[in-house]
Amino acid sequence: GENVEQHPSTLSVQEGDSAVIKCTYSDSASNYFPWYKQELGKGPQLIIDIRSNVGEKKDQRIAVTLNKTAKHFSLHITETQPEDSAVYFCAASGRPGYGNKLVFGAGTILRVKS
Amino acid sequence: KAGVTQTPRYLIKTRGQQVTLSCSPISGHRSVSWYQQTPGQGLQFLFEYFSETQRNKGNFPGRFSGRQFSNSRSEMNVSTLELGDSALYLCASSPLAGQYEQYFGPGTRLTVT
Repeated sequence: GENVEQHPSTLSVQEGDSAVIKCTYSDSASNYFPWYKQELGKGPQLIIDIRSNVGEKKDQRIAVTLNKTAKHFSLHITETQPEDSAVYFCAASGRPGYGNKLVFGAGTILRVKS
Repeated sequence: KAGVTQTPRYLIKTRGQQVTLSCSPISGHRSVSWYQQTPGQGLQFLFEYFSETQRNKGNFPGRFSGRQFSNSRSEMNVSTLELGDSALYLCASSPLAGQYEQYFGPGTRLTVT
């Protein structure tokens, strides 16, 4: 089955710097890749997603890139702010017959120091 | 639009008991998925329901079951609770089945003693 690896497990950056989180997936049939942000005591919040027919997607300070050949995708956060501090999860989905099943990475704890 | 709601938010049960958790999806959404989140195993898929039918099931024992009602609300049940079932149980709602955006609720924190 699908396996998603996420790196790094923790990331500390200075306010205003950029942060990059990388994920690799194993199932070449996966075609949907969302990113979630989870704050303490809350459920994961969808922040951006990308589908396999797109190489890059941007939403204000957040961008995601996808390399289908290498089977990896990355989250880029620019001009980080203290409120960006949270746990970020990548996920993969899309094998026919798997419905909406998401396979998640282990998560990255992002700390933005002010 | 109101988001995904889950009840109860916190639950303490004793080993051997059973528990039922409830999820109300975003209005108009017809797909509901359940996930278990633990520090050791991370986020793991339990099952997905669409139009009252289970479409997909994760690798969990038969003690974990669920159902969906005609109004798309869903419940999951865990019987014969074990200490290892202590976790945050998350419900996610999606407009349709397939690779659509999923929106999570706040979760139910289950503690088994």
